[in-house]
Amino acid sequence: EAGVAQSPRYKIIEKRQSVAFWCNPISGHATLYWYQQILGQGPKLLIQFQNNGVVDDSQLPKDRFSAERLKGVDSTLKIQPAKLEDSAVYLCASSPRTSGGAETQYFGPGTRLLVL
Amino acid sequence: SQKIEQNSEALNIQEGKTATLTCNYTNYSPAYLQWYRQDPGRGPVFLLLIRENEKEKRKERLKVTFDTTLKQSLFHITASQPADSATYLCALGVGGTYKYIFGTGTRLKVLA
Repeated sequence: EAGVAQSPRYKIIEKRQSVAFWCNPISGHATLYWYQQILGQGPKLLIQFQNNGVVDDSQLPKDRFSAERLKGVDSTLKIQPAKLEDSAVYLCASSPRTSGGAETQYFGPGTRLLVL
Repeated sequence: SQKIEQNSEALNIQEGKTATLTCNYTNYSPAYLQWYRQDPGRGPVFLLLIRENEKEKRKERLKVTFDTTLKQSLFHITASQPADSATYLCALGVGGTYKYIFGTGTRLKVLA
């Protein structure tokens, strides 16, 4: 079974520029998550999708961050304009949404963003 | 305020010993708790899940306990090996939402 794919793996941009990250979850997984992980911290949930609908985006800085999940499969996360404090690893995860409730999340390798 | 605390300092132990990592939380009532392993430059990898009505879960050399009265989970690695060196993250699951809140992680180093 193929894992969660993310691209690019690394990105360096200047502040005020825009950037986009792409995620392809495991086939058939209904739930998709985007996390931000700052160095030395745990992942922080930015947005959670159930199929192509948003379940939780309470911690997404909506003035600069946006995300979409077209046709309930791939997802993109965009930052516009970027700030220095956005330097972090952006992790995508997916889970199958079984009826049991407790979910294992499968993470991609992450995109490491450096804003100069 | 809601908080999840893991040992912020790295834990160094000798090979063959049991490593014990702690996850404490306040102002949460998690339905589930998960432990993940994260190696440098990689995404977290799921290890174990324990539900609120379970006291203990085991998988090979790993053991997790969950005390909802103390609001604490302990993660044990027995007969530790240098290959167990990594950062270990706990994640609290909010029931019914499929949403998990992660702790800051504890870095474990097993010395040969």
